[in-house]
Order: sequence, then C-alpha cells, then structure tokens
Amino acid sequence: DTGVSQDPRHKITKRGQNVTFRCDPISEHNRLYWYRQTLGQGPEFLTYFQNEAQLEKSRLLSDRFSAERPKGSFSTLEIQRTEQGDSAMYLCASGPSGYNEQFFGPGTRLTVL
Amino acid sequence: AQSVTQLDSQVPVFEEAPVELRCNYSSSVSVYLFWYVQYPNQGLQLLLKYLSGSTLVESINGFEAEFNKSQTSFHLRKPSVHISDTAEYFCAVTHTGGFKTIFGAGTRLFVKA
Repeated sequence: DTGVSQDPRHKITKRGQNVTFRCDPISEHNRLYWYRQTLGQGPEFLTYFQNEAQLEKSRLLSDRFSAERPKGSFSTLEIQRTEQGDSAMYLCASGPSGYNEQFFGPGTRLTVL
Repeated sequence: AQSVTQLDSQVPVFEEAPVELRCNYSSSVSVYLFWYVQYPNQGLQLLLKYLSGSTLVESINGFEAEFNKSQTSFHLRKPSVHISDTAEYFCAVTHTGGFKTIFGAGTRLFVKA
C-alpha cells in the first residue's frame, strides 16, 4: 500500500503524559499537513511542511504541540502534558509539489483519560 | 481570515433523488475550493476541486460543484444519488498564495432505499 500511513492508529493515555504520533507520507510528496478533528467537526489545521521546512502553523503549535519533519520524509507530532481536551483524531495528509489536493492518512485516535 | 460554512449538518434523501450540499466561504483573497468525502470507516479523500478556469467542476462518480464568486459559494450537487453515496462531505478552502486549508464542519449525507 503506497498511501499515507499513520502510527499508532489508537492511543490511550493518562492526563499529563506526553505522546508522539508518526506520519509517513506518500514517498514523492514534498508537502505534509497535520490536522486535528473532533466529533462533528471538520479537520482543523495544525501545521504545514514543505520538505523539512515548517512553513505555517496554527497557534496551537506554539504551546504543548510540536511537529517535526527532520529529513523531509516522515513527520512526528508530539503533544506534551496531555489534557482531556486533546482527545481527538489526528490526521496527516500529504501532497505533491505544484498541486493543492491532499491525500489523507487513516488518522490516530487519541483518548486522554 | 478565511472561514467555511456548511449550512446543513445532515441531509437525508431517498435513493435516485437529487441532492445539493451547500457550502459558503469567506475570504478576502482568491481561493482554491475543494470537496472531500469520508465514507464510513475510511479516510478523507478528494471528491473534486476548483482551481481556476471553468466554474463548473465534476467528479468521476457524478457529483458536480459550481464556483460562484459573487455569492461566495461552492455547492455540491448530484442529480440522482445512490445508497453508496452515504458519507460525510467536507467543503474546504485554501487561499491561492498560502498553505493553510480551512474545512467546514461537514454534511452527513444519508441515502435511504
């Protein structure tokens, strides 16, 4: 399967713990996005990478959230000191250069107890 | 700032009936417009997009959407729906000079036999 993959698919953690999610984009895609989606809502933009450069990020990523894409391939999203309000589906998407469509992964569902 | 409003959270419709899912956006700059679909237990996938040119765009499975700049709308239509069209549909906008994509809250289309 050559689609976008995310790991883990599900994560249950206790409040206050740190969690890290991984996204492997489609190999030739240089654009990579992270989103958060809660029940009844559309995906909420978190951040965007072009190759290894993080070019845009929401205000959410200035606090407990951080994302990296060290070699322009896979990406990680870390949430520190998790809170119950962080419970959501975290989506990764990638896209080829010069196009605007995005290919989404299956998501990581985070539950914070 | 950009925003996307999907006016209907749920649309029930009988099989073979026509359907319209409404989407309005707000932006002070030129935008690209998208419809994504999420079938039950699957990830988001692109349905159709408007980048430039003809304001009427079509998908391979019979959906179409028309970009109306004066009304800032990008409504999705299908003349005759199938049971298999049951899914959640998300309208999204990206401004032409940026990377951040804003999604609407989604419309759940439920096709009844």
